[in-house]
Amino acid sequence: SQKIEQNSEALNIQEGKTATLTCNYTNYSPAYLQWYRQDPGRGPVFLLLIRENEKEKRKERLKVTFDTTLKQSLFHITASQPADSATYLCALGENAGNMLTFGGGTRLMVKP
Amino acid sequence: NAGVTQTPKFQVLKTGQSMTLQCAQDMNHEYMSWYRQDPGMGLRLIHYSVGAGITDQGEVPNGYNVSRSTTEDFPLRLLSAAPSQTSVYFCASSYGLGRETQYFGPGTRLLVL
Repeated sequence: SQKIEQNSEALNIQEGKTATLTCNYTNYSPAYLQWYRQDPGRGPVFLLLIRENEKEKRKERLKVTFDTTLKQSLFHITASQPADSATYLCALGENAGNMLTFGGGTRLMVKP
Repeated sequence: NAGVTQTPKFQVLKTGQSMTLQCAQDMNHEYMSWYRQDPGMGLRLIHYSVGAGITDQGEVPNGYNVSRSTTEDFPLRLLSAAPSQTSVYFCASSYGLGRETQYFGPGTRLLVL
């Protein structure tokens, strides 16, 4: 069956360190993958999109990698800050005509 | 520009009651969708629409109805509420399907007793 897995356990890191979140998928052939941030009681907010033919994408302190061989995307936040504390969701789509399918999200806690 | 708005923010229903969750967007997006979010389950697609007058089912459509009479509005109707429909509901809109960024509303928290 198709599955998108994100670590359900919270990730706790110290301020200033790099946070790395993982998104693994099985039985999908995604054309692209998106990452969203969700704060408690709020809707998700789009962060980055990476396509199947792209290995890496950067935006300010954020970096996303996409390895279709490993069936995995990694989401990095460098120089993390307490304000980065939130739940991060990955979502993938198999082609431009499909709606996104979301993973369960990973909660990140950055301690000062 | 309000983006995507949802009402109500919170609702308590008794089993068997019906209600409509409202969603509106002012970005002239063609595509709108409804998700439910349950602990550990991620966002699951209920119904979506690719334009006024056109709707389709998502992953978990049972017990829900939608219609799209205008570009701006996409209400979600619960026909006969069940405790299993206790969840947080998010409406989203985008310029297109798939690759486009989805803009989410603030959510409606629903409790069915």
